[in-house]
Amino acid sequence: DQQVKQNSPSLSVQEGRISILNCDYTNSMFDYFLWYKKYPAEGPTFLISISSIKDKNEDGRFTVFLNKSAKHLSLHIVPSQPGDSAVYFCAAGNKLTFGGGTRVLVKP
Amino acid sequence: EAQVTQNPRYLITVTGKKLTVTCSQNMNHEYMSWYRQDPGLGLRQIYYSMNVEVTDKGDVPEGYKVSRKEKRNFPLILESPSPNQTSLYFCASSETAKMYGYTFGSGTRLTVV
Repeated sequence: DQQVKQNSPSLSVQEGRISILNCDYTNSMFDYFLWYKKYPAEGPTFLISISSIKDKNEDGRFTVFLNKSAKHLSLHIVPSQPGDSAVYFCAAGNKLTFGGGTRVLVKP
Repeated sequence: EAQVTQNPRYLITVTGKKLTVTCSQNMNHEYMSWYRQDPGLGLRQIYYSMNVEVTDKGDVPEGYKVSRKEKRNFPLILESPSPNQTSLYFCASSETAKMYGYTFGSGTRLTVV
C-alpha cells in the first residue's frame, strides 16, 4: 500500500496562472517532506522541502503547505512558466518514500 | 562538477543474463541508494548504503544485489534479470543518512526481453 499518494497524474495550466499539486500521506511518523522535479531523460532534482514543525515554506515562485491533521501537503507554483513543465514528485521521511508523480504542462 | 554518474544510460538484455549497472559519485557522500521508477508508482527504493560495506534492503529488493566496496561506487547487480525488472533506474547519493537534498543520476532505462 502506497504511503505517499499523488492522486492527480496530470495537470494542465495556462502560463502565468497558479499550479497546485497535491500529495497525501498515511504515515504520521514522517517528519520531513520534499518536492522533486523531473524533466525527461534527467534524474529528479530537489525543489523545496518542509519540516513537520512548519506549515508553510516559500522559495521564490514555489510554496509548500503542510496540513498535518489532514496528512496532506501541496505545492503552489505562482506564476507558472513553460519551463515548469515537468513531472513533480512529493517524497516523505528519512528514506524518501515517493508519490507516483504529477505531470505538469504549462501552456504558453 | 558534483555529480552522480550511471552507466549505461540504456540497456536491452535477455531474461537470465546477468548485468551490472554502475553508479559513481564524486561528492564524497556517505549515503547512496538505488531507486526504480515505474508509471504511477513513483520511485521505489531498491537498496541503500549508509557507508562502505554497509548496505540494506529498501522496499523492493527482490532480484537485486548491491555492493559498496568503495565510498564513491555503488553498483546494482541483476543476477538473473526478468521482464518485470524492466524499468527506469536511478542512483542517488546524499551527504547524510537523512536524505534531504539527494543528488540523483540521470537514470538507466533497462529493458528485459
